Amino acid sequence: TQLLEQSPQFLSIQEGENLTVYCNSSSVFSSLQWYRQEPGEGPVLLVTVVTGGEVKKLKRLTFQFGDARKDSSLHITAAQPGDTGLYLCAGNTGGGNKLTFGTGTQLKVEL
Amino acid sequence: NAGVTQTPKFQVLKTGQSMTLQCAQDMNHEYMSWYRQDPGMGLRLIHYSVGAGITDQGEVPNGYNVSRSTTEDFPLRLLSAAPSQTSVYFCASSRLRDRGYTFGSGTRLTVV
Repeated sequence: TQLLEQSPQFLSIQEGENLTVYCNSSSVFSSLQWYRQEPGEGPVLLVTVVTGGEVKKLKRLTFQFGDARKDSSLHITAAQPGDTGLYLCAGNTGGGNKLTFGTGTQLKVEL
Repeated sequence: NAGVTQTPKFQVLKTGQSMTLQCAQDMNHEYMSWYRQDPGMGLRLIHYSVGAGITDQGEVPNGYNVSRSTTEDFPLRLLSAAPSQTSVYFCASSRLRDRGYTFGSGTRLTVV
């Protein structure tokens, strides 16, 4: 059973468009992370959110952790071809380091 | 600073063969883990370790063994390879109090 569901699974947009990726669960997470993965490489950490309602910004990327700490979203403003990649959310349900990963959202940004 | 180094990058095995996937990190991270990544399944935890001499099972441990004799190294052993183990394997590490993982670049394994 997949604890973290991501939507959409695939997204193809034009440069300059905005987009939002969602990460949802029925479980409560003590923290949630977002990673981006490019072909042939391992995932790279983008952000960690730990407080319900928290909003973090990383240049054109905005991350939000739901008030109940069961969901999160990633919003990209004015997408660029360099944003192309697989976006993964990952949640921590306890006090340790074990993470459960979502199924991922494959984003393609075209010129 | 090399981060997390995985070897080999590619491997083809015959059913029934055994092999070891190597993982080494130079960041003095206490926590290390192995994941496999399959299409539509995301990353699934195989085994993890919170320090030298301590290992535990993850979500999909069957057919795999690990050991952690040093802080730096965390090898993953396939005992008798099966086609179902065809996947991309990632090693990751982190500090125990820091939830952000550093991943290696992966090993693509094909079992025929």
